[in-house]
Amino acid sequence: GESVGLHLPTLSVQEGDNSIINCAYSNSASDYFIWYKQESGKGPQFIIDIRSNMDKRQGQRVTVLLNKTVKHLSLQIAATQPGDSAVYFCAEIRTSYGKLTFGQGTILTVHP
Amino acid sequence: GAGVSQSPSNKVTEKGKDVELRCDPISGHTALYWYRQSLGQGLEFLIYFQGNSAPDKSGLPSDRFSAERTGGSVSTLTIQRTQQEDSAVYLCASSSRVAKNIQYFGAGTRLSVL
Repeated sequence: GESVGLHLPTLSVQEGDNSIINCAYSNSASDYFIWYKQESGKGPQFIIDIRSNMDKRQGQRVTVLLNKTVKHLSLQIAATQPGDSAVYFCAEIRTSYGKLTFGQGTILTVHP
Repeated sequence: GAGVSQSPSNKVTEKGKDVELRCDPISGHTALYWYRQSLGQGLEFLIYFQGNSAPDKSGLPSDRFSAERTGGSVSTLTIQRTQQEDSAVYLCASSSRVAKNIQYFGAGTRLSVL
């Protein structure tokens, strides 16, 4: 079936390093690809999204890259901080349907 | 309120009992979603409301699960005859009608079925 999955379940980095979190997807009909951050005891928090007709989008300290040829999505976090420690989920949506389809999640741990 | 509000934050119930979970979306958001997050699992979609109607309820696991939304605002998710496998965090999200790609989540209700 259609799915959005992740290559790595955990990622540990030192404070100040750049982090890259990867995701593979299988549904080419998605309109948007989205990254969410979930801290312990909280709901997911929207970070950044990218339309399916784009290949790169930058936000504050974050960049999302979309490679439609290999169906790959990545989130780059610059100068990672301890407050970035969380579970990161990629998700996809066809806006005509409304529902988000989530990947499994990657645990990011930032060491001071 | 400023964000999506869910109540209760925690619910412990006995197997076979019915439970009701409540969601207050962000004011003005016409789209509302319910998701479930099980231990060690990702988030799975349950149902989507646009206004008071549910165009997509394909994620509801069984006929024990139902949801309604009234006045285009508050929604309740009802689980009848709860089972242990229903134990999970139930998350509600809302979005504007034109930006469904940006969904704002509540903190969830942690349901434990003993």
